[in-house]
Amino acid sequence: DSGVTQTPKHLITATGQRVTLRCSPRSGDLSVYWYQQSLDQGLQFLIQYYNGEERAKGNILERFSAQQFPDLHSELNLSSLELGDSALYFCASSGSPPGGTGELFFGEGSRLTVL
Amino acid sequence: DQQVKQNSPSLSVQEGRISILNCDYTNSMFDYFLWYKKYPAEGPTFLISISSIKDKNEDGRFTVFLNKSAKHLSLHIVPSQPGDSAVYFCAATGAGSYQLTFGKGTKLSVIP
Repeated sequence: DSGVTQTPKHLITATGQRVTLRCSPRSGDLSVYWYQQSLDQGLQFLIQYYNGEERAKGNILERFSAQQFPDLHSELNLSSLELGDSALYFCASSGSPPGGTGELFFGEGSRLTVL
Repeated sequence: DQQVKQNSPSLSVQEGRISILNCDYTNSMFDYFLWYKKYPAEGPTFLISISSIKDKNEDGRFTVFLNKSAKHLSLHIVPSQPGDSAVYFCAATGAGSYQLTFGKGTKLSVIP
């Protein structure tokens, strides 16, 4: 158990819809990362938050947005969903401050299926 | 542009033998490299890492080798055990960032 909790574990929705994925980081971790793993792909970095502020952005689509709340949990919002958005979405957390060993602790992922 | 490449999608090894997983990178700004292991229905878990100032790091049955001039690293598992069967991801980072760039993974199957 990594200590990172993601909900929901599975989500099936239709094209054009909007979903929210939730992540609770390990206790004490200030950084939260979102990664996307599509079929036969490695994990693609989407976005990082540190203590409530956006710290780094990867290849995140404009239809996607995220935020980190004062209690440090994070939400990833995916809107106007397309079939290609079907993927595993992982949240990870790490201790502060950024710039340490690079070890991330991953949740079990949220599997999104867009029909 | 894939900055971290794992060219072998899969690898099968007999129990007790050595497993060697390879990874190549293109970004010379990377200075820290990690291996993650992932079982089905679980998130990736950290396995071992190496800084660019070293060429080898060992942790029990796991050893990571780094060849900076070739921009290549490898993970050796000796002896391989059936419980090692998983997908192994190579990842890299640099400049004090936690932002990891992952390869596509290699699925290791250790045959009893």
